[in-house]
Amino acid sequence: RKEVEQDPGPFNVPEGATVAFNCTYSNSASQSFFWYRQDCRKEPKLLMSVYSSGNEDGRFTAQLNRASQYISLLIRDSKLSDSATYLCAVNSFSGNTPLVFGKGTRLSVIA
Amino acid sequence: DTGVSQNPRHKITKRGQNVTFRCDPISEHNRLYWYRQTLGQGPEFLTYFQNEAQLEKSRLLSDRFSAERPKGSFSTLEIQRTEQGDSAMYLCASSPASLGNEKLFFGSGTQLSVL
Repeated sequence: RKEVEQDPGPFNVPEGATVAFNCTYSNSASQSFFWYRQDCRKEPKLLMSVYSSGNEDGRFTAQLNRASQYISLLIRDSKLSDSATYLCAVNSFSGNTPLVFGKGTRLSVIA
Repeated sequence: DTGVSQNPRHKITKRGQNVTFRCDPISEHNRLYWYRQTLGQGPEFLTYFQNEAQLEKSRLLSDRFSAERPKGSFSTLEIQRTEQGDSAMYLCASSPASLGNEKLFFGSGTQLSVL
């Protein structure tokens, strides 16, 4: 089993739709979780950290389910500009091991 | 621009040649990371430094790869005797030690094509 797994997509959704991605991780000792956004031919950029209590940033909501070992990202009211690849990233011991990234989930928001 | 800087942006080389990439991290960041990314994949960890000390190397980093960060500032990644399988985007990232790697700031990458 891969350390971090994501559905590669693509997810094709109309503007205004709500879309959710999941990411599963295999190491139960994982401590820190993140969502990164990567535009085509660009570097990944941190979108948001994922906290145990869940967190929200505008139209984006991230949640962590430790029992089932997955994190999720919910995007409400999708915009054309949300089209990108969304990478989840996990590390085992906060601050002491490199982030392990999933392959990413590609989202296309269509007018 | 005070972000992570990588040079060159693109490198085309013939199989068997050596190549070297440079990364200048954000100046106050102690930690520097090298990742590799191919099409349809997420970034794969190669190695990282805290200041000038190389703390971890992935098994992906064969003996043809070497990385240095001599003064704890910029870093270089060298690939000797390049192979076609080395073609990828090489990403450098930095973070302040106080945050560990919770917030990685990536450079724009060096796209390597081995012919």
